[in-house]
Amino acid sequence: GDSVTQTEGLVTLTEGLPVMLNCTYQTIYSNPFLFWYVQHLNESPRLLLKSFTDNKRTEHQGFHATLHKSSSSFHLQKSSAQLSDSALYYCALTGTGGYKVVFGSGTRLLVSP
Amino acid sequence: NAGVIQTPRHKVTGKGQEATLWCEPISGHSAVFWYRQTIVQGLEFLTYFRNQAPIDDSGMPKERFSAQMPNQSHSTLKIQSTQPQDSAVYLCASSESSYEQYFGPGTRLTVL
Repeated sequence: GDSVTQTEGLVTLTEGLPVMLNCTYQTIYSNPFLFWYVQHLNESPRLLLKSFTDNKRTEHQGFHATLHKSSSSFHLQKSSAQLSDSALYYCALTGTGGYKVVFGSGTRLLVSP
Repeated sequence: NAGVIQTPRHKVTGKGQEATLWCEPISGHSAVFWYRQTIVQGLEFLTYFRNQAPIDDSGMPKERFSAQMPNQSHSTLKIQSTQPQDSAVYLCASSESSYEQYFGPGTRLTVL
């Protein structure tokens, strides 16, 4: 079945340093949709960005990610971490025409001063 | 647009009691999802409905958990004979054709 792998459970950074959270996936779908959801403390997950176009950079709120079907990856990046970026980040995928979303195990990002 | 509504926000039950959780999806959304979230297990898929029909309940513990969607405006998740390991935040989400899921605030269930 489909799966999403986030290798880092916890990433700790100093404010101002670049952010990169890893996400790889396995799917039977040739045209999957990939998502990043962010969940701040005491809040629910909300969509940060999404993509289904191979090799096209998607950006939102300072974060960006590029879907690479050749390597089945959708890593999340930001050039400079802010304290407010501290949150839990989930990578997820769904297949074309389907509604069910498969979530990764999540990566907690902690940004310190 | 009020977003996805979940009630109650907090529920405390004794071991062996029943718990019913309610979800009102965003109007016009055709799919409703239930998840369970704990620190240890993360976000776990339980079940989902599309156009009120159950589509996939592969994440539901078989014996004590059940979910229904009697009409397009609400869904319920029922847990019979609750156990301490059922303690979690239960999240409901709804979705339309864009595939983006909109999550409700969750119900925090505590089983004593």
